[in-house]
Amino acid sequence: QKEVEQNSGPLSVPEGAIASLNCTYSDRGSQSFFWYRQYSGKSPELIMSIYSNGDKEDGRFTAQLNKASQYVSLLIRDSQPSDSATYLCAVAGGSYIPTFGRGTSLIVHP
Amino acid sequence: EAGVAQSPRYKIIEKRQSVAFWCNPISGHATLYWYQQILGQGPKLLIQFQNNGVVDDSQLPKDRFSAERLKGVDSTLKIQPAKLEDSAVYLCASSLREGVHYGYTFGSGTRLTVV
Repeated sequence: QKEVEQNSGPLSVPEGAIASLNCTYSDRGSQSFFWYRQYSGKSPELIMSIYSNGDKEDGRFTAQLNKASQYVSLLIRDSQPSDSATYLCAVAGGSYIPTFGRGTSLIVHP
Repeated sequence: EAGVAQSPRYKIIEKRQSVAFWCNPISGHATLYWYQQILGQGPKLLIQFQNNGVVDDSQLPKDRFSAERLKGVDSTLKIQPAKLEDSAVYLCASSLREGVHYGYTFGSGTRLTVV
């Protein structure tokens, strides 16, 4: 059974701070890693994908992948109240079908 | 391009009733997925279609759930009879073809409440 673990939170950070969201996975053969943002009552929206070890930056978002430690994280710099949402980690292996974590709730307070 | 279309947006039914959801994928996308997202959990794959054929339905509760994609375009997911634990959001997603996954574009989902 492939597992993707996330702390359900909520993670509360002040506006302007860095939010750090973490995810671990069980399948060592995993190849593709994704972060989705889900606002309350909305469907998940893809915000980042990463396929190799290291960091990948896109605007205020940085995804970090460490395959040896089976760990992927998402950093959000200069957090804004509009970033308040649930962030879902998804991991895909050889079958290419991603397994989703249960998500971490992020609250950015003014 | 138009996104993934789903209907209805909301549905409330009594247990033991039947319900159907509809999905129209992004034009030209051969692969279609149905996911179930229970409140507080991540989406769980129910079934994957490649054109009009089923690729993976290992997590579909086949005693009550069925899905079809007869012409390889739009798809219908049916629950009969519904149980209280089927209350969830049913999400549809599509991709150009089976294979390496680059991330989904989900439809807006159908929120099902079984009372």
